[in-house]
Amino acid sequence: KAGVTQTPRYLIKTRGQQVTLSCSPISGHRSVSWYQQTPGQGLQFLFEYFSETQRNKGNFPGRFSGRQFSNSRSEMNVSTLELGDSALYLCASSWDSAYEQYFGPGTRLTVT
Amino acid sequence: QQQVKQSPQSLIVQKGGISIINCAYENTAFDYFPWYQQFPGKGPALLIAIRPDVSEKKEGRFTISFNKSAKQFSLHIMDSQPGDSATYFCAVSGGSNYKLTFGKGTLLTVNP
Repeated sequence: KAGVTQTPRYLIKTRGQQVTLSCSPISGHRSVSWYQQTPGQGLQFLFEYFSETQRNKGNFPGRFSGRQFSNSRSEMNVSTLELGDSALYLCASSWDSAYEQYFGPGTRLTVT
Repeated sequence: QQQVKQSPQSLIVQKGGISIINCAYENTAFDYFPWYQQFPGKGPALLIAIRPDVSEKKEGRFTISFNKSAKQFSLHIMDSQPGDSATYFCAVSGGSNYKLTFGKGTLLTVNP
């Protein structure tokens, strides 16, 4: 069974631009979560989607948004990029909830 | 407020030794306690997880010990190998919050 896939793997953007990251969950998984990983703050929860509905959102500004499609694939968008948004963005999927979440390889975003 | 405190930040162990990483949590509503292993350039990989109805769970060389009254759980890696050198994260989840809250991570180095 294929794992969680994320595209693109690497991205370089300029401050003020916006970016969209994509995640394809493990087949059959309906819950998709997004996390931001930085050396200073560690792994922080962004949001979780199940059946196209956002069920929980972390403590991030409104510039961070996401959505889930009917096939469970998910995207997250960051608008008006700031230097501090440079991070590894990780997507994780599970059947439901936080139990047995499996992570993708991440998208490394660099904002210059 | 940090919901889960992980220690130590870094750990150096000789090949064949036992590696022990500890985590403490605050909220008694948490009911799922996983450990993740992350290699450089990769996403976190689910290693082992425990629920509060058992005090210990073993999978191969990896064991979780859980102390509900002390609100602590730990990861023991027996017969540590150089290939175990990675960053380890504990996490907690519970109720209907649909998210994992992670510790800050422990960088484990196993010397040959």
